Amino acid sequence: KNQVEQSPQSLIILEGKNCTLQCNYTVSPFSNLRWYKQDTGRGPVSLTIMTFSENTKSNGRYTATLDADTKQSSLHITASQLSDSASYICVVTLNTGGFKTIFGAGTRLFVKA
Amino acid sequence: KAGVTQTPRYLIKTRGQQVTLSCSPISGHRSVSWYQQTPGQGLQFLFEYFSETQRNKGNFPGRFSGRQFSNSRSEMNVSTLELGDSALYLCASSSQGQGVTDTQYFGPGTRLTVL
Repeated sequence: KNQVEQSPQSLIILEGKNCTLQCNYTVSPFSNLRWYKQDTGRGPVSLTIMTFSENTKSNGRYTATLDADTKQSSLHITASQLSDSASYICVVTLNTGGFKTIFGAGTRLFVKA
Repeated sequence: KAGVTQTPRYLIKTRGQQVTLSCSPISGHRSVSWYQQTPGQGLQFLFEYFSETQRNKGNFPGRFSGRQFSNSRSEMNVSTLELGDSALYLCASSSQGQGVTDTQYFGPGTRLTVL
C-alpha cells in the first residue's frame, strides 16, 4: 500500500534551536518528493522538491535529504525562528502511467521564545 | 506576478445543495490541481487539469467534478453536498504539473461548511 508517514506528529522547540522532521514512504514507483510549509489558515508553500537522483536540497535555513534506498526523507531546520511555527507536510508523487500524489499527515512545529 | 486566487474564501451551504468553487492560476501556468484538506484526513488530491483536460484524478466520488477553461482558470463543483464535504479546498497551479519537478503554488483556499 502506498503510504507516507511523518514523525513526530508535533514538536516544540526553543527559538534558535535546530530540529529535524522525518518522512518515511512506501511508495512505488517513485517520481518526486516535496516538503511544504503550511501556516494556519493558509495554503501550503513549497520548500523543496527532490527526484530519485537527488539526496540533498536546501532552501535558506531548510535542508531536505532523501535516501531513495531506505525510502526516507528528512527536513532539517537550522536556527529556528518564531515564524517557523507551522505544519510541515511531506508529499510523494508516484508515476503509474499517470501521476498520483500522496500526502503525509504533517508535523506540527511550535517554536517558543 | 499575482499569486493563485480562489473565490469565494468562505462558503456555507446546506446538505443536498451544490457548490462551485473558482481558481485563477498564476499567469502562464497551465496546470491546476485541486485538493481537499480536513482535520481527520489531511490533504487529499482531487484532480488535476492541464490545458483544459483532466490529467489525473484522485479517489473521490463522482459528485466532485471540475473543469478548466482556455485561460487556465478552473472551477470545481460538488453536487448533493454532505456534512463530510466540509473542508478547506485548495487549488495549486504550476507550469507543467505534479509529475514534473516544477514548483506548485497554492492559493489561500475556500473554506466550505456544510450544515
